[in-house]
Amino acid sequence: GIQVEQSPPDLILQEGANSTLRCNFSDSVNNLQWFHQNPWGQLINLFYIPSGTKQNGRLSATTVATERYSLLYISSSQTTDSGVYFCAVGRGRDDKIIFGKGTRLHILP
Amino acid sequence: DTGVSQNPRHKITKRGQNVTFRCDPISEHNRLYWYRQTLGQGPEFLTYFQNEAQLEKSRLLSDRFSAERPKGSFSTLEIQRTEQGDSAMYLCASSLPGQGHYGYTFGSGTRLTVV
Repeated sequence: GIQVEQSPPDLILQEGANSTLRCNFSDSVNNLQWFHQNPWGQLINLFYIPSGTKQNGRLSATTVATERYSLLYISSSQTTDSGVYFCAVGRGRDDKIIFGKGTRLHILP
Repeated sequence: DTGVSQNPRHKITKRGQNVTFRCDPISEHNRLYWYRQTLGQGPEFLTYFQNEAQLEKSRLLSDRFSAERPKGSFSTLEIQRTEQGDSAMYLCASSLPGQGHYGYTFGSGTRLTVV
């Protein structure tokens, strides 16, 4: 099956800092999603981005499908950004998605 | 629409008992997925439905696990003869492929503790 690797596994930053999270995957995909899991366990969909670049407020994501990686950028971090960020991919557009192990982000006030 | 709803939120059961969880997806979503998440890991795929048809089951889903979506709306996940290794968060998600948006919406999960 497809392998999904996320880096770094853990990240501690001061409020206001910027960060870049990376997701590498082992095969061609037509479905790629980024999620944020908050400290209460709720998974929130941030982006559906199998290719290209999208932005939503302080968050943006870029997927380079031909090189099999995606990046999630968080600018001007806030304490509410803390939690675990997951990348998940699927071969087909309508396929199930497979999750990476996540990047645990802790923003210090 | 109130999103994806899962019940119960928490379940504590004794080893060997049967448990059933329910998921109510977003009403117009025809895809429904079940995942399991253990501490410190990403969610693992269990099974998914398109309408009432179960399209795929993971090898993680032993014979003790069964999932149904009888009328293509809500779904149930049953675990028979629970074991301590079944303790996890069980997550349900729904989506509506083909409408230009393939993102999943997850419920809050059911946390199962087997004692």
